[in-house]
Amino acid sequence: QVQLQESGPGLVKPSETLSLTCTVSGDSMSGYHWSWIRQSPGKGLEWIAYISNSGTTNYNPALKSRLTTSIDMSKNRFSLKLTSVTAADTAVYYCARGSLSYSYLRGSQLTLDYWGQGTLVTVSA
Amino acid sequence: QSVLTQPPSASGTPGQRVTISCSGSSSNIAVNTVHWYRQLPGTAPKLLIYSNNQRPSGVPDRFSGSESGTSASLAISGLQSEDEADYYCASWDDSLNGLVFGGGTKLTVL
Repeated sequence: QVQLQESGPGLVKPSETLSLTCTVSGDSMSGYHWSWIRQSPGKGLEWIAYISNSGTTNYNPALKSRLTTSIDMSKNRFSLKLTSVTAADTAVYYCARGSLSYSYLRGSQLTLDYWGQGTLVTVSA
Repeated sequence: QSVLTQPPSASGTPGQRVTISCSGSSSNIAVNTVHWYRQLPGTAPKLLIYSNNQRPSGVPDRFSGSESGTSASLAISGLQSEDEADYYCASWDDSLNGLVFGGGTKLTVL
């Protein structure tokens, strides 16, 4: 059974950098696109980014200028850094395992089949 | 404001069939597949339907998905009290080159 666990500070000051790590257990990280998704309090889901086992990245255009992701296959984990945070970045942050595919008939799809439990990050002084 | 549009709420009585709609555009649902996620209160979302109408192992056949043009629907038959949750649709958007979600639909079982 694949399991994902987010870790990182629960409180970040405005203008500082939010850093989170997701540790994966139960399966190899190869062949997947490891994703970050967030959910602001009482709001819907927002996809943030993915990183593949080869280091290929794709970022939400709205956040791209502030985002960095990395992956450490030897430690079965991947990480997210979001700079210059504001109160609008307060959210529950989820990591998830993604399968990215493309076909002529079905187009592109990123299927998120396993999720971490989420971690609340509050941006406040 | 979400790229995909869902009704904020839906409701039904036990045993009833309910549907939840998801409206998109020519850059997402019209050309890419739709997925549905269910989020029970206080928990992480869980994949419910992928590739428009496929169920992951363990998801009962009471749940079904369909897609037509720029819209998709999730149908739940034989509604049960434990189906009370938030439901989100998602699709890849070629213009944004990223995954987009609907705003979510809160399903209430009366």
